[in-house]
Amino acid sequence: ETGVTQTPRHLVMGMTNKKSLKCEQHLGHNAMYWYKQSAKKPLELMFVYNFKEQTENNSVPSRFSPECPNSSHLFLHLHTLQPEDSALYLCASSQDIRTSGFTDTQYFGPGTRLTVL
Amino acid sequence: GIQVEQSPPDLILQEGANSTLRCNFSDSVNNLQWFHQNPWGQLINLFYIPSGTKQNGRLSATTVATERYSLLYISSSQTTDSGVYFCAVRATSGTYKYIFGTGTRLKVLA
Repeated sequence: ETGVTQTPRHLVMGMTNKKSLKCEQHLGHNAMYWYKQSAKKPLELMFVYNFKEQTENNSVPSRFSPECPNSSHLFLHLHTLQPEDSALYLCASSQDIRTSGFTDTQYFGPGTRLTVL
Repeated sequence: GIQVEQSPPDLILQEGANSTLRCNFSDSVNNLQWFHQNPWGQLINLFYIPSGTKQNGRLSATTVATERYSLLYISSSQTTDSGVYFCAVRATSGTYKYIFGTGTRLKVLA
């Protein structure tokens, strides 16, 4: 599905680096999500934004800092990460989290595979 | 919080075989989706199905909300069906969190 794009697709960074992941959705949605997928673990929800307001922070360490400047863009700023933060980071969007029904269907981007050395 | 369990964890099929994947959840839900994650990591929507039955080609899904489970049926499997199948639910009570199951890893052999 090309409605949600993520850049970069691969990222290798040292523990002292600062980098950002970018997500953009072209579906006219109002809710955006960051998920983390580590090897052998289920997807873990990190953050939820609805109409640019953060509605969920799933006890994520402060070295991950999200930013949602508008309903189409979501960033994840990374600093002083640890090797255990290496994972696939997935962005998703849906129309509006306040409704149930088909409008709450999530669409995922291709992910950024992050390696922390 | 709500617990989501999927079974079986791993499944190997010969091309052309049928299979049933199961998702059990521990609380009432207002959102349930099935996804297929391909070998490159992309999650593809299969069904939005908090209740009832839907069909899309060789795939169909049924959710029995009152009994807290959902089934995904794959008929006449093809090698391109290989990957990991996830169900994800959102509980009716209180939260916007989506909880993913641990997935079923399917390999279809030619």
